[in-house]
Amino acid sequence: EIVMTQSPATLSVSPGERATLSCRASQTISNNLAWYQQRPGQPPRLLIYDASTRATGIPASFSGSGSGTDFTLTISSLQSEDFAVYYCQQYIDWPYTFGQGTKLEIK
Amino acid sequence: EVQLVQSGAEVKKPGESLKISCKTSGYSFTSYWVGWVRQMPGKGLEWMGIIYPGDSDIRYSPSFQGRVTISADKSLGTAHLQWSSLKASDTAMYYCARQNILADYFDSWGQGTLVTVSS
Repeated sequence: EIVMTQSPATLSVSPGERATLSCRASQTISNNLAWYQQRPGQPPRLLIYDASTRATGIPASFSGSGSGTDFTLTISSLQSEDFAVYYCQQYIDWPYTFGQGTKLEIK
Repeated sequence: EVQLVQSGAEVKKPGESLKISCKTSGYSFTSYWVGWVRQMPGKGLEWMGIIYPGDSDIRYSPSFQGRVTISADKSLGTAHLQWSSLKASDTAMYYCARQNILADYFDSWGQGTLVTVSS
């Protein structure tokens, strides 16, 4: 089973600033990585797939990068609605495991 | 519009059985994998398994194999997740989600079903 490790567990950032979230896979997954956002009381929402492609309706302030084992989600200018929990997921090998999540909180 | 609408919250006792549902619409049910994801209280997402309704092919995570059963009813466009004997540790929110047809990420999600198991 591929283990996905996200860091940091919690990230405190001020509105308008940039946030950088990391995700590492225990073995190479090429670009088979998705990012999801989960706001309190809501189901997850797809943000990024194939490591760097924004899903439909996702603003350009969200960007993904990386390949192999190391991946990054960047939010360029934080809005109030962006403070949430973010998960990465690999989909190269069953089971399609998730990272443990990064909570993005207001500083 | 793609929609996945899950059945309502359940409160059960340990040892009881349960089947929850995920009714889909807005796309060809038999052409996409549908998966289930567990989220225990205050915790992260856990991939449980997926089913391809077209031929009922199923993949389980080893962590959930033998503990739950995933099924699909093609005539109703509905996927199911069931337990034969619930435990308190099954208390969680359960999400169904559609897997994208081109790559295996989840592109649409249900609203979740909260399952509470308590004596």
